[in-house]
Amino acid sequence: ETALTQSPASISATPGDHVTISCRASQDIDDDVNWYRQKPGEAPVLIIEEGKTLAPGISARFSGSGYGTDFTLTIDNFDSDDAANYFCLQHDSFPLSFGQGTKVGIK
Amino acid sequence: QVELVESGGGVVQPGTSLRLSCAASGFSFSDYGMHWVRQAPGKGLEWVAVTSSDATKRYYAESVKGRFSIYKDNLKNTLYLYMGGLRTEDTAVYYCAKDLRVAATTATTYGMDVWGQGTTVTVSS
Repeated sequence: ETALTQSPASISATPGDHVTISCRASQDIDDDVNWYRQKPGEAPVLIIEEGKTLAPGISARFSGSGYGTDFTLTIDNFDSDDAANYFCLQHDSFPLSFGQGTKVGIK
Repeated sequence: QVELVESGGGVVQPGTSLRLSCAASGFSFSDYGMHWVRQAPGKGLEWVAVTSSDATKRYYAESVKGRFSIYKDNLKNTLYLYMGGLRTEDTAVYYCAKDLRVAATTATTYGMDVWGQGTTVTVSS
């Protein structure tokens, strides 16, 4: 089984900030990582697929990078509407697994 | 547009069974694998199960293997999750979700793109 470790668990950002979230896999998973954003009381929304491809309708302020075991989600020019929980998912092998999540709040 | 609507949640006692449904519309249901993902109160996301587009392959999380069963009815455009031997730790919001793209093989998944709004299952005595 592949475990995903996200860091930090939480972060506070000021509008305009550059925010980075890390997701580390316990074994090589190529670029089989997606990133999701979830606001309280809502279903998750796909923001990045295959490590770095922006999902349709998602702001270009979001970007993903990484390959193998280390992956990063970056939010440029943080906006207050970006405050949410962010999760990485590996779909390289079964069982699929999510990271524990990163709560991004407003400073 | 793609829409997924879950139903069937409720309050049940430990050891009992429950069936969740997910009605799909707006896409060619028979072409896509489908997932169930759950989220316990105040916790993160936990992948539960996936079925291939033609329902011939199913995979489960260890935590539900042997107790839960995922089933896809391509004639009714509906996904199901049969949950047996329910435990208090199964309490969660259960989401159904569509696979991101048409899979190359029945053993392939690309993760989820569109999610339903979720249905709540509470297991309590």
